[in-house]
Amino acid sequence: GQQVMQIPQYQHVQEGEDFTTYCNSSTTLSNIQWYKQRPGGHPVFLIQLVKSGEVKKQKRLTFQFGEAKKNSSLHITATQTTDVGTYFCAGMGRDDKIIFGKGTRLHILP
Amino acid sequence: NAGVTQTPKFRVLKTGQSMTLLCAQDMNHEYMYWYRQDPGMGLRLIHYSVGEGTTAKGEVPDGYNVSRLKKQNFLLGLESAAPSQTSVYFCASSYSVAGHSYNEQFFGPGTRLTVL
Repeated sequence: GQQVMQIPQYQHVQEGEDFTTYCNSSTTLSNIQWYKQRPGGHPVFLIQLVKSGEVKKQKRLTFQFGEAKKNSSLHITATQTTDVGTYFCAGMGRDDKIIFGKGTRLHILP
Repeated sequence: NAGVTQTPKFRVLKTGQSMTLLCAQDMNHEYMYWYRQDPGMGLRLIHYSVGEGTTAKGEVPDGYNVSRLKKQNFLLGLESAAPSQTSVYFCASSYSVAGHSYNEQFFGPGTRLTVL
């Protein structure tokens, strides 16, 4: 069945450093979504990528969707303490079923 | 708009007890989902619904049942709770385009369930 792998599982960075999390699917995806979950909170939608090779930016966040539509990445430039949380990718297969990655937990060291 | 609400927020059950978790959304969304979140496991889809009166199995459906009698409500039932069902349960909803859910999911605040 469809699997979505996300790495790394944990990441500690100094405030001001960059951060990247990667998502890889075993099958071609219709689209991929990214969510952020603050500690103790619920997942909140960040963005959706649909097109092959698509790149979208939200302030310090850059999202990419691979050419083969099987991988994606989220890059945060110059992390801030407000970036703390777990970032999830969620891939939708051609059967309309969405599978979440296990998430990358980001810790910011002051 | 309240968005997606879940009741209760917390619950402790004994093994073998039953309970129902209620999810309600006021956004007129077609699609609704139930997930469980366990440490290190991310979000796993239990059941979902593509419209009133319809339900389908997700990744981990065993031990759970669901009903979608009204478009705005999605109920998750545990008939005989087991310690392995200790988890945080999230409900989510999304709107559809041309019969497909290609859009963002709106999550509720979650229900923390402990089964002793």
